[in-house]
Amino acid sequence: EIVLTQSPATLSLSPGERATLSCRASQSVDSYLAWYQQKPGQAPRLLIYDASNRATGIPARFSGSGSGTDFTLTISSLEPEDFAVYYCQQRSNWPPVTFGGGTKVEIK
Amino acid sequence: QVQLVESGGGVVQPGRSLRLSCAASGFTFSHYSIHWVRQAPGKGLNWVAGISYDGSNEHYADSVRGRFTISRDNSKNTLYLQMNSLRAEDTAVYYCARELYTSDWYPSFYYWGQGTLVTVSS
Repeated sequence: EIVLTQSPATLSLSPGERATLSCRASQSVDSYLAWYQQKPGQAPRLLIYDASNRATGIPARFSGSGSGTDFTLTISSLEPEDFAVYYCQQRSNWPPVTFGGGTKVEIK
Repeated sequence: QVQLVESGGGVVQPGRSLRLSCAASGFTFSHYSIHWVRQAPGKGLNWVAGISYDGSNEHYADSVRGRFTISRDNSKNTLYLQMNSLRAEDTAVYYCARELYTSDWYPSFYYWGQGTLVTVSS
């Protein structure tokens, strides 16, 4: 099973700042990595698929990069609605589909 | 618009059974593989099971294999999860999630339901 490790666990930033979230895989997942955003009481929302492709309707301030074992989600300038928990997920070697433990982006 | 609506959650005693449903609309249900993903209270996301677009293939997480069964009725646009021998650790919000693309398997999930809470407690 591929283990995804997200860091940091919590990121404290102010609106307008740049957020950089990391996801590291226990073995290569090629580019088969997705990122999701989840707000309290809501279902997850797909942001990025296959490492760098923005899903339909996702603002351009969200970008993904990386391949192999190291991936990054960047939010170029945080908006108030971006404070949430973010998860990475791999579909390279499944089953099982696996998710990272999440990074919470909170208001500083 | 695409909608996935889960139902069937509730409080159940350990060892008992429960069946969840996920009613789909707004897309051609029979063209997409669908999955169940769960989230224990205050915890992260965990994949549970997936079924191919035509129901011919199923995959399960080790933690539920042999206890849970995923199925679908394409004539009713509905996905199911039969959960037997429930344990306290199965307590979670259960989401159904549709794959992004119509291919054999493409487990990145663009559409999600609102979730249904299953609580296993005596």
